Amino acid sequence: DAGVIQSPRHEVTEMGQEVTLRCKPISGHNSLFWYRQTMMRGLELLIYFNNNVPIDDSGMPEDRFSAKMPNASFSTLKIQPSEPRDSAVYFCASKGGGGGGRAGYTFGSGTRLTVV
Amino acid sequence: DAKTTQPPSMDCAEGRAANLPCNHSTISGNEYVYWYRQIHSQGPQYIIHGLKNNETNEMASLIITEDRKSSTLILPHATLRDTAVYYCIVRVVGRNTPLVFGKGTRLSVIA
Repeated sequence: DAGVIQSPRHEVTEMGQEVTLRCKPISGHNSLFWYRQTMMRGLELLIYFNNNVPIDDSGMPEDRFSAKMPNASFSTLKIQPSEPRDSAVYFCASKGGGGGGRAGYTFGSGTRLTVV
Repeated sequence: DAKTTQPPSMDCAEGRAANLPCNHSTISGNEYVYWYRQIHSQGPQYIIHGLKNNETNEMASLIITEDRKSSTLILPHATLRDTAVYYCIVRVVGRNTPLVFGKGTRLSVIA
């Protein structure tokens, strides 16, 4: 099991550019979560999906942020246009159905985004 | 999910036991206590969870008080690689709802 795979690991972009972050959840997991982490605000939930359907996007900071999950094995988080304050580490996590247990939430290694 | 309170930071000597406390005085009967940790620049990692009985696995032990209002995560022989931020999270099992992270405890293991 390769775990949750995020790409790219690092992204440096200029203000105003479009940024797309990608996530491949663990096969068989039916929930996917996008988090953002900064020094000031810690780990914040942006949006999560159950069975590819967005359930709660109240953490998405602005209309510049959008997330999709076209199928069970892929999700994207897009920022358009990007701003310097979007600089953060973005984590994707997935979870299987049913109880928590050891087979609970698995996080990817994150994408470190720097907007200059 | 119930709110948790943790000290912002702790130090521990290498080789000694690290005891990380967590208060969750408003925990409900169907809520479990989960512990995750985040080593610098990595994604959070599951450690252990429990309902009301003490639990032990290869990473740590979890001691939950009888009234379930607090718990302690024990790393029996801390190593430098255990330096991380440790998060105590209370949640209902059986729902695929998000983990909500507080500020956690920054544990520094000192040689």
